[in-house]
Amino acid sequence: GAVVSQHPSWVICKSGTSVKIECRSLDFQATTMFWYRQFPKQSLMLMATSNEGSKATYEQGVEKDKFLINHASLTLSTLTVTSAHPEDSSFYICSARAIFSYNEQFFGPGTRLTVL
Amino acid sequence: AQTVTQSQPEMSVQEAETVTLSCTYDTSESNYYLFWYKQPPSRQMILVIRQEAYKQQNATENRFSVNFQKAAKSFSLKISDSQLGDTAMYFCAFMKQPGNTPLVFGKGTRLSVIA
Repeated sequence: GAVVSQHPSWVICKSGTSVKIECRSLDFQATTMFWYRQFPKQSLMLMATSNEGSKATYEQGVEKDKFLINHASLTLSTLTVTSAHPEDSSFYICSARAIFSYNEQFFGPGTRLTVL
Repeated sequence: AQTVTQSQPEMSVQEAETVTLSCTYDTSESNYYLFWYKQPPSRQMILVIRQEAYKQQNATENRFSVNFQKAAKSFSLKISDSQLGDTAMYFCAFMKQPGNTPLVFGKGTRLSVIA
């Protein structure tokens, strides 16, 4: 149980295009989802926190107009990278907090984004 | 704000030996959780062990155990009988209560288990 999926697992796009990444909790309802970014050989950096039905809370330095987050249901959150540029190339990971678990977050497998 | 420090960027250990990874944290919270996550080459984050701050007893999960020193704000991970499959990045993480808050990660320790 407690499986989180991400789609796509990897994507290559041209500079200037937009890319949408989906994060789904497959067998549980997620009250909150978190989006992290990880550069090679570095740690996870929190980008934003999203709660179902409300606006995401972005961390300082993260452009909310560039990284659009929509948490439309208790099982789906999406991250859209708008007008992507090569510096947006990274590994994006989502995690979800389940209604039934007050002290654990479940991680998706990540999405590798490469912007040419 | 909370911070998590892992002072060992890389470590290595012989197969079947024991290794300890260090982690310290800084917080003014009294109730919180601490975690160790493993990230293998697949990059899937895997929960290794969890400790609740109000519990004095150190958490254990099979070959993995922690030494939680609340006053010293220290949370080290001991891996016994190291296996080749333990080779991975290990991240120490902090989460304050309630659990609806994000994890704060350390920079990680790259562990290599040598045959």
